[in-house]
Formats: sequence, C-alpha cells, structure tokens
Amino acid sequence: QVQLQQWGAGLLKPSETLSLTCAVHGGSFSGFLWSWIRQSPGKGLEWIGRITHSESTDYNPSLKSRVTISVDTSKNQFSLKLSSVSAADTAVYYCARGREGRNIFGIWGQGTMVTVSS
Amino acid sequence: DIVMTQSPDSLAVSLGERATINCKSSQSVLHSSNNKNYLTWYQQKPGQPPKLLIYWASTRESGVPDRFSGSGSGTDFTLTISSLQAEDVAVYYCQQHFSSPITFGQGTRLEIK
Repeated sequence: QVQLQQWGAGLLKPSETLSLTCAVHGGSFSGFLWSWIRQSPGKGLEWIGRITHSESTDYNPSLKSRVTISVDTSKNQFSLKLSSVSAADTAVYYCARGREGRNIFGIWGQGTMVTVSS
Repeated sequence: DIVMTQSPDSLAVSLGERATINCKSSQSVLHSSNNKNYLTWYQQKPGQPPKLLIYWASTRESGVPDRFSGSGSGTDFTLTISSLQAEDVAVYYCQQHFSSPITFGQGTRLEIK
C-alpha cells in the first residue's frame, strides 16, 4: 500500500521560502508523475507542478518564476520550494502521485497547512 | 489554460435520490490519439485530501461504490450519484489533465436535503 508522508514548515513570514518534502513509502518511485497541489482556505484546488523520477519538471505558469520541484530518488522523496511567499500563498499543500503515467491523482499526502503572516 | 466550470456550486438532495453534478471544459479534453477524455472526478470531505472517484471520464476507481458514475465527452461531463447516501456529503471536483497546466473546477458542495 503506497503512502505519501509530507512535512515542512507551517508558518512563514512574507518574502521567505516555503519548503516541503514528500516521502514515498511502499512503492516504486519510477514510472509515475509526482505533483504538488495547493488549496487556499475555503477555495479550490491549484496544481503547482510535477516531477518525474528522471527529474523532468512541468510547472504552472502562474507560479513558475517562484517554484522549484526536485527529487531525491535515493530516498524516494520529492520536494517543493516556493520563494518570496506572501499571504496569497497561505494554503494547504498536498503532494500527490499521478497514476498510469498521467496526472490522475490516486494517492495524496495528508496535507500541510502553510500560513504566511508577518 | 483550460477553464473547468462546474454546476451547480451547491446541491441539496434527499437521501436515496439521484445527485447530478456537471462539469464543462473551455476546450475539448478528448485526445484523438487514444479516444480518451482526460477528465477526472474527486470527492473531498472536510479535513481530508481529495479522493479519486472517476478517471478517463467514466472509469470508476477500485473500491468506489457503483452508485457513482461518470459520463460525457469532449467538453461536457457529468458525475452522477444514483442513490445518495449520508456518507456522500462532500465537495466534488472535476479536473482536466489534457494539457498543462492541470486545472480543476471550482467544486460543487453536496448536502442532504
């Protein structure tokens, strides 16, 4: 049973860099797409970007200038960095696995609430 | 970007009755190479991540009750719950993965009448 466990700082000040990591337990890392998705309080879902085991990335243009997604295949982990955060980046951040080599999100992390406040 | 628009925004249905949620994409998500619709449905309950219900527009995820079904093609899609149960109270989202960036509908809140 594949599980995603995520962690990272939950409280940031404006202009700081958000950093989250997602560990993949119980399954292969290769052959899947690994995404970060966020959900602002009371709002819908926004896809941030994704990475493959071979470090191929695809980012949402709305965030691309501030986002870096990286992978550590030796640890079966992938990470998100979002620079220059503001209050607008306050959200629950999820990691997710895309199935069948597609962005069909069948497995999700538990979510991390990140608050940006001075 | 492909814009996904769901209707209605909220819906109240009696237990045992049918619930229907619509999703419209701003351009077709039907891929000609494999004749598949790149359209997915999720269910989200409070405090939980979304749960995959339906993919390729009409394929039910393993373990999802058969009262959930998806239909549609091209730009117009429907999620149907044939007989609403109390545990189906949730927010439902459609999502397209036809082109990047991946986009979601705004969500439909389903409640018991």
